[in-house]
Amino acid sequence: NAGVTQTPKFRILKIGQSMTLQCAQDMNHNYMYWYRQDPGMGLKLIYYSVGAGITDKGEVPNGYNVSRSTTEDFPLRLELAAPSQTSVYFCASSYGQPNDYTFGSGTRLTVV
Amino acid sequence: QKEVEQNSGPLSVPEGAIASLNCTYSDRGSQSFFWYRQYSGKSPELIMFIYSNGDKEDGRFTAQLNKASQYVSLLIRDSQPSDSATYLCAVNIYSSASKIIFGSGTRLSIRP
Repeated sequence: NAGVTQTPKFRILKIGQSMTLQCAQDMNHNYMYWYRQDPGMGLKLIYYSVGAGITDKGEVPNGYNVSRSTTEDFPLRLELAAPSQTSVYFCASSYGQPNDYTFGSGTRLTVV
Repeated sequence: QKEVEQNSGPLSVPEGAIASLNCTYSDRGSQSFFWYRQYSGKSPELIMFIYSNGDKEDGRFTAQLNKASQYVSLLIRDSQPSDSATYLCAVNIYSSASKIIFGSGTRLSIRP
């Protein structure tokens, strides 16, 4: 039982490049979330999904896109990377109770 | 106005003493409240959650909630060096699909 798996763990992007951060969970959770954490700061919600085919914006959605075609996967897309997107990205999933979040180990992204 | 506010610290506490961490929130509709511990370079880990006014104890940890004052606190008794971490306060906004909004975290250092 892997839980929440994020890939890659580290990535360096050049300004203007695009990439997809992968998130997969094997717990049959309906709810999935993407957060970013800037150095010395808390987590900010980017996007979330309450089930396959349903996504919604969080606190800081600009510059990102998501899709949820299956229950297991919730990829986060950066179309035109900017230095302001340098951060650690965490994916999380839950059954819908806020006290049962499972976090992935994070993706550390640097945009140069 | 920030939704969840914490003092960023660092808070330095001698080993064996009580560490007191505080958090305020702005949304009166908030239903549930969480304390996460995050070690450097790791994902957040849930250590306490509380729904009702009053105190909730779990081992060396006590969460306190005062909804009238919109205030949540975490007490750590008999502080250990392993408690040195960043503590994130988080709030579930009931109307919003079980999503959790985080504060910026308080860095706690336990000195031997």
